[in-house]
Amino acid sequence: EAQVTQNPRYLITVTGKKLTVTCSQNMNHEYMSWYRQDPGLGLRQIYYSMNVEVTDKGDVPEGYKVSRKEKRNFPLILESPSPNQTSLYFCASSPRSWDMSGYTFGSGTRLTVV
Amino acid sequence: DAKTTQPPSMDCAEGRAANLPCNHSTISGNEYVYWYRQIHSQGPQYIIHGLKNNETNEMASLIITEDRKSSTLILPHATLRDTAVYYCIVRVDNTGKLIFGQGTTLQVKP
Repeated sequence: EAQVTQNPRYLITVTGKKLTVTCSQNMNHEYMSWYRQDPGLGLRQIYYSMNVEVTDKGDVPEGYKVSRKEKRNFPLILESPSPNQTSLYFCASSPRSWDMSGYTFGSGTRLTVV
Repeated sequence: DAKTTQPPSMDCAEGRAANLPCNHSTISGNEYVYWYRQIHSQGPQYIIHGLKNNETNEMASLIITEDRKSSTLILPHATLRDTAVYYCIVRVDNTGKLIFGQGTTLQVKP
């Protein structure tokens, strides 16, 4: 089944403890992206990647890192999480950046930083 | 900023057509209109998109006005499972970024 898989689905962590949220897609998509969703603010883009080894900042990149060493994986790294990063996170992929009809989203990761 | 305006909420009776409007008065000539929906904190799901002609697929129909300043998403026979937040999106650039506004919360009632 074609899908975007995020792990973990739920995570509670403490301030300052490094964590990684994994994202993997099995559709050979070139484009991948991370969003966070907060009440009243909607979905906002954190980082995106047009292809392997190519990443760029979205609207809210502060406090996050990403890497794209292989096509299928696009992990989101929080080096020193803070409570304001408590949010619902979504990974998405698409065959090409301009093909917004091809977007597939993961099921989400609900992160709580205490 | 989102380039679209949608009503915050709408109700629809089960089995009836749901018509969700969207204003995009600043849309450019080559920009597509996309519709996504999000069911209760799940990942958003693509529904349909169009440029200037009306479009239909197995999920919905999209009606775009001739001046392209507004559009309407039509769910022909709404079911309870169609209860969701519906987002109308106009592509901003080629970075692939989806700019989600507040969307319309559609409540389908029995």
